[in-house]
Amino acid sequence: GEDVEQSLFLSVREGDSSVINCTYTDSSSTYLYWYKQEPGAGLQLLTYIFSNMDMKQDQRLTVLLNKKDKHLSLRIADTQTGDSAIYFCAEVYNNNDMRFGAGTRLTVKP
Amino acid sequence: DVKVTQSSRYLVKRTGEKVFLECVQDMDHENMFWYRQDPGLGLRLIYFSYDVKMKEKGDIPEGYSVSREKKERFSLILESASTNQTSMYLCASGDTGELFFGEGSRLTVL
Repeated sequence: GEDVEQSLFLSVREGDSSVINCTYTDSSSTYLYWYKQEPGAGLQLLTYIFSNMDMKQDQRLTVLLNKKDKHLSLRIADTQTGDSAIYFCAEVYNNNDMRFGAGTRLTVKP
Repeated sequence: DVKVTQSSRYLVKRTGEKVFLECVQDMDHENMFWYRQDPGLGLRLIYFSYDVKMKEKGDIPEGYSVSREKKERFSLILESASTNQTSMYLCASGDTGELFFGEGSRLTVL
């Protein structure tokens, strides 16, 4: 299909790890992105990964890319209540067009 | 601090009214975008502009038009609002992939 697919909801306990998964569509996508939207705010770019990489780590965030399966994941270690937000996966295709997933709402319970 | 500012956070309009949503960015970006965000559907691109007075249709342009008279300002126009245009509207600027978003304008059409 032509959709970037994500689960809509994820709930974790504070201190646990969160893993948000995404399946994208275009095997020639050069960059894949994770955006975060906090309540009442616009989206902010969280991190991205270039398609020739398998993994990227940035403090508590780990991005894993499986190009064969067109699967992207975002792992948040030691999840905090401040991580509660909607997380959007996005791909760039046709070199210049961008497609977003529906977003995963992460709820962190104390 | 970079900023994308949307003029109205909340609007309530009646069916058939004309609606203007304005967006201003202070980063001297060439590209500006209008998305709508609906639960379960994620972000869908309405229109974008890559230069002053230039505009391109996105995925869902029907019922909308845009205006880019100055580089920093990109306006979304609903000529005759309808109830199915009740949504959150997000403006963004930047290069494909690395976008900066405004806080959003929540429009309710009665």
